Amino acid sequence: DSGVTQTPKHLITATGQRVTLRCSPRSGDLSVYWYQQSLDQGLQFLIQYYNGEERAKGNILERFSAQQFPDLHSELNLSSLELGDSALYFCASSPRVAYEQYFGPGTRLTVT
Amino acid sequence: AQKVTQAQTEISVVEKEDVTLDCVYETRDTTYYLFWYKQPPSGELVFLIRRNSFDEQNEISGRYSWNFQKSTSSFNFTITASQVVDSAVYFCALSEPSSSNTGKLIFGQGTTLQVKP
Repeated sequence: DSGVTQTPKHLITATGQRVTLRCSPRSGDLSVYWYQQSLDQGLQFLIQYYNGEERAKGNILERFSAQQFPDLHSELNLSSLELGDSALYFCASSPRVAYEQYFGPGTRLTVT
Repeated sequence: AQKVTQAQTEISVVEKEDVTLDCVYETRDTTYYLFWYKQPPSGELVFLIRRNSFDEQNEISGRYSWNFQKSTSSFNFTITASQVVDSAVYFCALSEPSSSNTGKLIFGQGTTLQVKP
């Protein structure tokens, strides 16, 4: 158990819908990262938050957004969903930049 | 540009064989970090090791060992006396916090290791 929790574990929704993925980092970790894992793109960095502020953006679509709350949990919002958004979404946390990241169990999103 | 290459897509070995997973990286930074993660069939990503660019000392942890060579930009992972439980996808990753101001990980495509009994 990495100490990072993600909910829900599975999500099935239709095209055009909006979903929210939730992540709680390990106790004490200030950085939260979101990654997307798909068969064609592999593991791709989406976005990072550090202590409530956005630190870096990667290959994140404009239809996607995220935030980190004062209690350090984070949410990833995916809107106007397309079939190609079906993937495994991971959240990871670390105490500081460049330290090892501990990953949550992931949320498997299926868009039908 | 930063990049991680794991040329071996799939490897199949018989239990108790030794196996080496290759990882080659590209970076322009002098300060960077390399990682290995394991993704078993259950799907979670498990942290195995982190190594900074100034520490080329090889590391051994039980049946696992890592060989870091800056001269060839490689960070290879060896499993000695493999076991069925080692069957998983293994990812090598790179982080360049100095230039990117973020600890984001750049992953290789992964190597699927199958250990047969």
